[in-house]
Amino acid sequence: QKEVEQNSGPLSVPEGAIASLNCTYSDRGSQSFFWYRQYSGKSPELIMSIYSNGDKEDGRFTAQLNKASQYVSLLIRDSQPSDSATYLCAFVFTGGGNKLTFGTGTQLKVEL
Amino acid sequence: GAGVSQSPSNKVTEKGKDVELRCDPISGHTALYWYRQSLGQGLEFLIYFQGNSAPDKSGLPSDRFSAERTGGSVSTLTIQRTQQEDSAVYLCASSSPPGELFFGEGSRLTVL
Repeated sequence: QKEVEQNSGPLSVPEGAIASLNCTYSDRGSQSFFWYRQYSGKSPELIMSIYSNGDKEDGRFTAQLNKASQYVSLLIRDSQPSDSATYLCAFVFTGGGNKLTFGTGTQLKVEL
Repeated sequence: GAGVSQSPSNKVTEKGKDVELRCDPISGHTALYWYRQSLGQGLEFLIYFQGNSAPDKSGLPSDRFSAERTGGSVSTLTIQRTQQEDSAVYLCASSSPPGELFFGEGSRLTVL
């Protein structure tokens, strides 16, 4: 069983819409969850971290964590063409020290 | 420096040669990670250093790969007897809060 799963996409949304990206994970004991964005040809950059159940908002971005269902999601409101990128979820496994495990990423395309 | 610095940015080598990739992390960051990313693929964990603890080498793909971190700062990833399948972008990242990684621009390795 894969440790973390994401739909590879591409996920296409029109400009101004809400983009919803999802990630499921296998380790019930994981405590730390992260979303990274990677533009084509560039390195990943951290967007959000979330540690508690519920929602965490930062500007147009909202991270949602549900530990009971073992999923984490990222909502992007008022999507812009500049949001077009690959979004990677990542988390720290229980007993894995602080090693960060990444999903394979979901490609988002925001269309004009 | 202000960010994570990696060198060389590009390296072309012949099969069978050894290569060294360097990473200079953000000052004060105690954790340092190496990942690699093949074209169109996700991030593959290689090795993780945390302070003075023994490194987590669980992601190194073979004994041709090794890494060290001197003085808790600069790290060098060495690949011996390179093979064509080693061609990838090698990404270094450092963090202070666990999981909140800052990536360098990467070293693109091409093995002919």
